[in-house]
Amino acid sequence: GQNIDQPTEMTATEGAIVQINCTYQTSGFNGLFWYQQHAGEAPTFLSYNVLDGLEEKGRFSSFLSRSKGYSYLLLKELQMKDSASYLCAVLGGSYIPTFGRGTSLIVHP
Amino acid sequence: DGGITQSPKYLFRKEGQNVTLSCEQNLNHDAMYWYRQDPGQGLRLIYYSQIVNDFQKGDIAEGYSVSREKKESFPLTVTSAQKNPTAFYLCASSPRLAAYNEQFFGPGTRLTVL
Repeated sequence: GQNIDQPTEMTATEGAIVQINCTYQTSGFNGLFWYQQHAGEAPTFLSYNVLDGLEEKGRFSSFLSRSKGYSYLLLKELQMKDSASYLCAVLGGSYIPTFGRGTSLIVHP
Repeated sequence: DGGITQSPKYLFRKEGQNVTLSCEQNLNHDAMYWYRQDPGQGLRLIYYSQIVNDFQKGDIAEGYSVSREKKESFPLTVTSAQKNPTAFYLCASSPRLAAYNEQFFGPGTRLTVL
């Protein structure tokens, strides 16, 4: 089976940097996704990591360490519109993604 | 415009009734999925389909049924056997089951059982 753990809620200030962690245990590993989901809306794709290291995409970066079963999503220059849930999803040996419970990020002025 | 649609956005049903949620995609994707999302929970997989006329149970399939008669369509029926059906239902698709399996999600259907 798979177990994915991420913090339930985080708060941060507009303009700051926030790091959202995700730890996982999985049988077979074919990559890790981060999705953003605003309340009542569909999740949208942010990033995919399958090799160790950092992937940067504008204000968002995602890091993966396969040996540690660990990933983080880094959000820079936070904006109010970044208030959302961030979902970590692991692609296991079956190629079916398993989602964590999501981290609700609240950005305040 | 290519995309994935779900209808209706809001759905109310009486206890004991079956209800079918629609999901259509024009992305030419082989794989389609149904998830359920409850407050404070992540997405839990109900059913998935890799190809037309084939589908597999996910983690919480009890009380649900699906069909995949066309590549574009993957309707979900919530039966009266589902004990706690009130939830937000999300349909997704991806090119296939493979690495870099980015999923594209529909806007969701919020089902309320009265």
